[in-house]
Amino acid sequence: AQSVTQLGSHVSVSEGALVLLRCNYSSSVPPYLFWYVQYPNQGLQLLLKYTSAATLVKGINGFEAEFKKSETSFHLTKPSAHMSDAAEYFCAVSPEGAQKLVFGQGTRLTINP
Amino acid sequence: DAGVTQSPTHLIKTRGQQVTLRCSPKSGHDTVSWYQQALGQGPQFIFQYYEEEERQRGNFPDRFSGHQFPNYSSELNVNALLLGDSALYLCASSLAGQAFQETQYFGPGTRLLVL
Repeated sequence: AQSVTQLGSHVSVSEGALVLLRCNYSSSVPPYLFWYVQYPNQGLQLLLKYTSAATLVKGINGFEAEFKKSETSFHLTKPSAHMSDAAEYFCAVSPEGAQKLVFGQGTRLTINP
Repeated sequence: DAGVTQSPTHLIKTRGQQVTLRCSPKSGHDTVSWYQQALGQGPQFIFQYYEEEERQRGNFPDRFSGHQFPNYSSELNVNALLLGDSALYLCASSLAGQAFQETQYFGPGTRLLVL
């Protein structure tokens, strides 16, 4: 079964610093990959998705992610962190032929002033 | 354009009771999926409904059942509640078709506490 692993349950960066959230997937075929963000007491909001059109995917709020097949990775980055980026981030895979999302455990991002 | 809405926002039940959660999809969407998110974990897929039928199901017992209405809204029912059913229940809507690449839009969730 396809799955995703998010390395680091908690990441802390300073305001203005680079944000890097790691996600690795297990799949024998190119999957469809997503990053979602969850603010406290809210549902999930889509940041970006990879559907094989381009390996570098740009999303909302200045986030982007790069699909690297050789590394089976889909890491999320943002050049300069803002206080409003503090939230829980989830990587998810949608297996081809399946009607569902499989989520990672999540990474809590904390921004230090 | 209204997004995905869910009701109620919070719910407290006792063990053994039954609960019904409701979801209205984003305008124009015809597919509804339900997820369970336990505290500190990622959401787990429960099932998906399309054309008023369950299209796919995750690894959840039969105590979890659902329904989709002709207007595409959906209900999630959980019978014989257990303490472990305490979680945030998320509804997501999408368009039919190649659903594995369709974006799922999530509602704010219903937080269920079982005592």
